[in-house]
Amino acid sequence: GENVEQHPSTLSVQEGDSAVIKCTYSDSASNYFPWYKQELGKGPQLIIDIRSNVGEKKDQRIAVTLNKTAKHFSLHITETQPEDSAVYFCAASSGTAGNKLTFGGGTRVLVKP
Amino acid sequence: DVKVTQSSRYLVKRTGEKVFLECVQDMDHENMFWYRQDPGLGLRLIYFSYDVKMKEKGDIPEGYSVSREKKERFSLILESASTNQTSMYLCASSPPQGRAFFGQGTRLTVV
Repeated sequence: GENVEQHPSTLSVQEGDSAVIKCTYSDSASNYFPWYKQELGKGPQLIIDIRSNVGEKKDQRIAVTLNKTAKHFSLHITETQPEDSAVYFCAASSGTAGNKLTFGGGTRVLVKP
Repeated sequence: DVKVTQSSRYLVKRTGEKVFLECVQDMDHENMFWYRQDPGLGLRLIYFSYDVKMKEKGDIPEGYSVSREKKERFSLILESASTNQTSMYLCASSPPQGRAFFGQGTRLTVV
């Protein structure tokens, strides 16, 4: 089955700097890659996603890049703000078998004012 | 907005009890999922369902069962709770090829 690895496990950045989180996946059939943000005491919230026919996608300060050949994808947050502090999860899915997602281990991001 | 509602935020149960975790979604989604979240391990899939009365095992189904009698409701059952099932449980729903939305989670403690 699919295996997703996520790095780093913790990330501390100064407010205004950029943050990058990287994930690798094992199943070449995976074609859907969402990112979730989880704040303390809440369920994960989808923040951005990308499908395999696209190499990059942006939404304001957030961007995701995908390299299908190398089987890795990354989340980029620019101009970080204290409210970006949370745990971020990447995931991968092949779109079959009920569209089930396989998640990475998570990255705890702390943005220092 | 999609709403996925889990019946309890916090639960404390005794070892050996039968435990029911309930999840309801209001967007007529075909797919529903139960995940377990533990520190450093991310979210691991316990069971999922792609239609009423249909269910498939995920990666860690041992010790759990599920029920989906109605499209909007997906229940996770711990037949005989054990301390190693203390965890955060997350329910999600999605259309067949679409985005998954999560509930707020149930933190279960088994003592």
